[in-house]
Formats: sequence, structure tokens, C-alpha cells
Amino acid sequence: DQQVKQNSPSLSVQEGRISILNCDYTNSMFDYFLWYKKYPAEGPTFLISISSIKDKNEDGRFTVFLNKSAKHLSLHIVPSQPGDSAVYFCAATGVYGGSQGNLIFGKGTKLSVKP
Amino acid sequence: DADVTQTPRNRITKTGKRIMLECSQTKGHDRMYWYRQDPGLGLRLIYYSFDVKDINKGEISDGYSVSRQAQAKFSLSLESAIPNQTALYFCATSDDEWNEQFFGPGTRLTVL
Repeated sequence: DQQVKQNSPSLSVQEGRISILNCDYTNSMFDYFLWYKKYPAEGPTFLISISSIKDKNEDGRFTVFLNKSAKHLSLHIVPSQPGDSAVYFCAATGVYGGSQGNLIFGKGTKLSVKP
Repeated sequence: DADVTQTPRNRITKTGKRIMLECSQTKGHDRMYWYRQDPGLGLRLIYYSFDVKDINKGEISDGYSVSRQAQAKFSLSLESAIPNQTALYFCATSDDEWNEQFFGPGTRLTVL
């Protein structure tokens, strides 16, 4: 059973608008969440993370929101740029249990930002 | 120069052959990982190593083995390759339990 779910395989957004990528998790032991971005023919690269003691973390155009009660997190990209077009993976880990500290990845969402 | 390198980048092989994928890192990290990515399935953990003497199975270790030759090197072997091992393979490193992992560029393996 999937512990980290990204239910939207793809998302298309106009340049300059907001992109919202969603992720749900089932394991209540997860306490640290990360987003990775992957371009074709490259390995994933770390984008932003959030600890379960926070509900928001911001880094430039990227903001991650965490709703622990709903076991839901989202990545907001504002404004979206064509260079943001990539596959985005949500990942979760439970440092103190839940996955032995290893990352559990979602299946990814392919974001396309149209000029 | 890339911090995490993988060789080869592409490999086509036949069923039953033994294959080794290699990973090297210059980041000085103790923790190293091997993942495979299949279309629509995200990344799944095959094996991981927290130091040279520590090797652990991941979610999908059957059919694979690993060797941690040094802190900087972690190899993945397919003892007898089969077609459903056709996938993209990634090596990653990290230096702490918070797991901000740094990935290599990947190896595309095709088993005919």
C-alpha cells in the first residue's frame, strides 16, 4: 500500500500563475517531508523540506504547507516559470520511526508551465 | 565535476547476464543509497548503506546485491538480469538522518 501519494500525474499551468502540487501520506510516524524536482536525463534534486513541527516553509518562489491532521502537504510555486517544468516528487521520512529514516517517495507529478 | 557519478549511463544487456552499476561520490557522505525508477512508480529503494560496514535491504532488494568498497563507492549488481529489471537506476548520498539526499544522474538499464 502506498504510504506517500501524489494523485495528480500531471499539471499544466500558465507562466506567471501559481502551481500547486499536492501530496498525501498515510503513516503518522512520518515527521519530515521533502520535495524533489527532476528534469529528464538528470537525477532528482532537492527543492525544499518541512519538519512536522512547522506548518509552512518558504524559499523564494517555493512554499511548502503541511497539514498534519489531514496528512497532507502541498508545494506552491509563485510565479511559475517555464524552467519549472519538471517532475516533482514528494518524499517522507520518519527519523524516529516509520521508515528507519529512509525516504518514501510518491509517484511524482509532471508540471508543465506554458509560456 | 559532479559530486555523485554513476557508470555506465546507459547499458543494454541480455537476460541471464551479470551486470554491475557503479556509484562514486566526492561529497564525503557516509550514507549511500540505490533506487530504481519505473514509469509511473516513483523511486523505490533497493539497498542502502550507512557506512562501509553497514549494508541494509530496501523495499525491493530481491535479485540485487551491493558492495560498499569504500566510503566513496557503492556498487549495485544484478547477478542474473531479467527483463523486468529494465529501469532507471539512481545512486544517492546523504550525511544525516534528515535525508536531504543528493542524486547521481542515473543509469538507464535495458534487459532484453
